[in-house]
Amino acid sequence: LAKTTQPISMDSYEGQEVNITCSHNNIATNDYITWYQQFPSQGPRFIIQGYKTKVTNEVASLFIPADRKSSTLSLPRVSLSDTAVYYCLVARTGANNLFFGTGTRLTVIP
Amino acid sequence: DVKVTQSSRYLVKRTGEKVFLECVQDMDHENMFWYRQDPGLGLRLIYFSYDVKMKEKGDIPEGYSVSREKKERFSLILESASTNQTSMYLCASSTQVQVWEQYFGPGTRLTVT
Repeated sequence: LAKTTQPISMDSYEGQEVNITCSHNNIATNDYITWYQQFPSQGPRFIIQGYKTKVTNEVASLFIPADRKSSTLSLPRVSLSDTAVYYCLVARTGANNLFFGTGTRLTVIP
Repeated sequence: DVKVTQSSRYLVKRTGEKVFLECVQDMDHENMFWYRQDPGLGLRLIYFSYDVKMKEKGDIPEGYSVSREKKERFSLILESASTNQTSMYLCASSTQVQVWEQYFGPGTRLTVT
């Protein structure tokens, strides 16, 4: 089972780049890595997904090294509205081996 | 806009009561999921369903059951609620293949007294 481990919390000042790393040492060949963002009183929201190397969209970048045992979510120039809990998920088709991490609470400071 | 709705945002029930939490999705997704979310424990999968009338246990199925009679609707049932089931319950859905891209409802905060 591809259990995931994330830091519990992080603080960052506005305008800085934030990198949140997730460890998934037992990731399988057919697992995909996804990151979610959750604001208070809302369900998590999908933000980015990848399999290997680097993926970038309008919200974030995702870096996955060749061994895929970890992944790093990068948020460029964070603002106060990026304060949220960020979860990584490792999953494959079939849904019987998906695992959410415990989440990283990011606090952006003015 | 894709949508997953849950029947209640807040629910208060007494110990021993039977509790139904309902979830509806409008994206014609094959997969539906029920999670509970507790401080420090993240999201834990209770049950998921990959088709009508089909279900699989997740990591913490004890004390829960589920029902999926229609593709768009997935219900979580607490047969006899207990105080340790006080939690935030989240429903999600995904396509059959892209299990990693899930769409979540707003959650139901259940308190069992």
